[in-house]
Amino acid sequence: AQSVSQHNHHVILSEAASLELGCNYSYGGTVNLFWYVQYPGQHLQLLLKYFSGDPLVKGIKGFEAEFIKSKFSFNLRKPSVQWSDTAEYFCAVNGMNTGFQKLVFGTGTRLLVSP
Amino acid sequence: DGGITQSPKYLFRKEGQNVTLSCEQNLNHDAMYWYRQDPGQGLRLIYYSQIVNDFQKGDIAEGYSVSREKKESFPLTVTSAQKNPTAFYLCASREQGAPEQFFGPGTRLTVL
Repeated sequence: AQSVSQHNHHVILSEAASLELGCNYSYGGTVNLFWYVQYPGQHLQLLLKYFSGDPLVKGIKGFEAEFIKSKFSFNLRKPSVQWSDTAEYFCAVNGMNTGFQKLVFGTGTRLLVSP
Repeated sequence: DGGITQSPKYLFRKEGQNVTLSCEQNLNHDAMYWYRQDPGQGLRLIYYSQIVNDFQKGDIAEGYSVSREKKESFPLTVTSAQKNPTAFYLCASREQGAPEQFFGPGTRLTVL
């Protein structure tokens, strides 16, 4: 069965600091990878996604993620965070073994950015 | 305005009562999903449906039931058999052939 690990449960940063959130998954076959974000009081939103091609993907609000197949990782990065990035971030994967039908989520990382 | 609606936003029920959570989408998506979100546990899949009149159990289906009589609607019933029903419930949908899912605003259920 697929699983997704997010090792940072809580992260606290000051504005302008750089961010990297780790995500590792267990499935060895073809996967699609996602980062979702949940701002306080808002819907879960898609931040970025990787299906194929360039392993460095760019998303909304200056976020990017790099797919490293050999490490089964899809870490999220942002060079300079803002107070408005305070949110909970979820990594998710779906794999060919389920026909890409089911998303498996990590446990989430709560990011607090202090002004 | 296309999207997924879930109602109500907050729901309170007494222990032992069944309760049905609504999920409607006007995106013309074929697949719909129900997740449960608990602090520190991420999202866990309860049930999903890829087509009308068909649905499959997810990872934590015990104590829940669903129906899919219409393409745009996928209601979830939390039964009295669910041992720990208090949680935040999220509905999602997905277009046929596309991997990403889109989420509704959620319903926070509290069982007293």
